[in-house]
Amino acid sequence: AQTVTQSQPEMSVQEAETVTLSCTYDTSESDYYLFWYKQPPSRQMILVIRQEAYKQQNATENRFSVNFQKAAKSFSLKISDSQLGDAAMYFCAYRSAGGYQAGTALIFGKGTTLSVSS
Amino acid sequence: DVKVTQSSRYLVKRTGEKVFLECVQDMDHENMFWYRQDPGLGLRLIYFSYDVKMKEKGDIPEGYSVSREKKERFSLILESASTNQTSMYLCASSPGDIKAIQYFGAGTRLSVL
Repeated sequence: AQTVTQSQPEMSVQEAETVTLSCTYDTSESDYYLFWYKQPPSRQMILVIRQEAYKQQNATENRFSVNFQKAAKSFSLKISDSQLGDAAMYFCAYRSAGGYQAGTALIFGKGTTLSVSS
Repeated sequence: DVKVTQSSRYLVKRTGEKVFLECVQDMDHENMFWYRQDPGLGLRLIYFSYDVKMKEKGDIPEGYSVSREKKERFSLILESASTNQTSMYLCASSPGDIKAIQYFGAGTRLSVL
């Protein structure tokens, strides 16, 4: 079974600084998708970024980028120029690409709470 | 914009009550999901559905059932609520495309007293 591990329960960063959230996963599959979701205090889960395992290029979305190391099974999220609005819980998630029904559910890590100070 | 609506933000029920949590999506998505979120445990899948009247158990289905009579609506049922079911419940939906992302509702915080 696949597992996702976020080893940092809490992180903090100052405004305008850069922070990196860690995520490792365990799988025997070769094709899969990885995600970072953000959950602010409003509780609405929002997709931050997505990575397809067969793509070697790291995904980027504005100030958010990932460092995807397939061999090491590592998928870290870098937030540049941190803003107060980035304060939230961040979840790393895995989804298999094989098997239509079995593959659609997400497997989540336990989350990292990010605080941003001014 | 995709909208996933959960009928209640907060709910307080008594032990032994039958509880219905409702979720509606407006984008004609094939897949719908119920997750449970607890501090320190992340999100865990309870059930998901890939079509009307079709359902699959997730990681923690015990004590729960689901119903999907219409494509847009996915209900989570607690047949006899217990205090250990006090939690945050999140509904999500996604299109059938394997590359598609999941869209989440705002969650229902359920307290069972």
